[in-house]
Amino acid sequence: AQKITQTQPGMFVQEKEAVTLDCTYDTSDPSYGLFWYKQPSSGEMIFLIYQGSYDQQNATEGRYSLNFQKARKSANLVISASQLGDSAMYFCAMRENTGFQKLVFGTGTRLLVSP
Amino acid sequence: DTAVSQTPKYLVTQMGNDKSIKCEQNLGHDTMYWYKQDSKKFLKIMFSYNNKELIINETVPNRFSPKSPDKAHLNLHINSLELGDSAVYFCASSPTLTGELDEQYFGPGTRLTVT
Repeated sequence: AQKITQTQPGMFVQEKEAVTLDCTYDTSDPSYGLFWYKQPSSGEMIFLIYQGSYDQQNATEGRYSLNFQKARKSANLVISASQLGDSAMYFCAMRENTGFQKLVFGTGTRLLVSP
Repeated sequence: DTAVSQTPKYLVTQMGNDKSIKCEQNLGHDTMYWYKQDSKKFLKIMFSYNNKELIINETVPNRFSPKSPDKAHLNLHINSLELGDSAVYFCASSPTLTGELDEQYFGPGTRLTVT
């Protein structure tokens, strides 16, 4: 069964606007972590933001914030004030804390930021 | 300064050959991983090592053999290469095996093309 679902294969946004990238997950482990990574066209994987399952507040990291809705099992990434350099693939990943740090990735969302 | 490095960055070879990809991290991390990203950009864990000990082997064919001479290095040797092995292989590391807040740091990837 798919543990991480990213339903948006592609998203478009204009520069300076905000965009939300969706991620839903499935786990029966009460303790888990959710991660977002960015993969630009150059290919490297860049860590953006982390949310722990017990965190009371939504994670934020500069222009990135994570809209964590535990009951709905969703962990959407919000990018505010999009920049051209935000154009990339974005991957949501989950680590179940009983799973020895194994990251399970979603299929990714390709974001294109237009001027 | 590179935290996780991989060599080579590109590898083009013929079916049936044997090849190796090297990975080194200078972060002092205990745990290292190999991930495979296929042509559809899907990322999946292959192996993880903790202090030179194999922890995760995700039903990868026996033709793939990881080797960790020390905790800073995790190499991937592939025997009898097949067309389906063409992918980008990422090495990653994390501080510990079970740390809840541990982010995984990825190397730049090795694009393997089997012809």
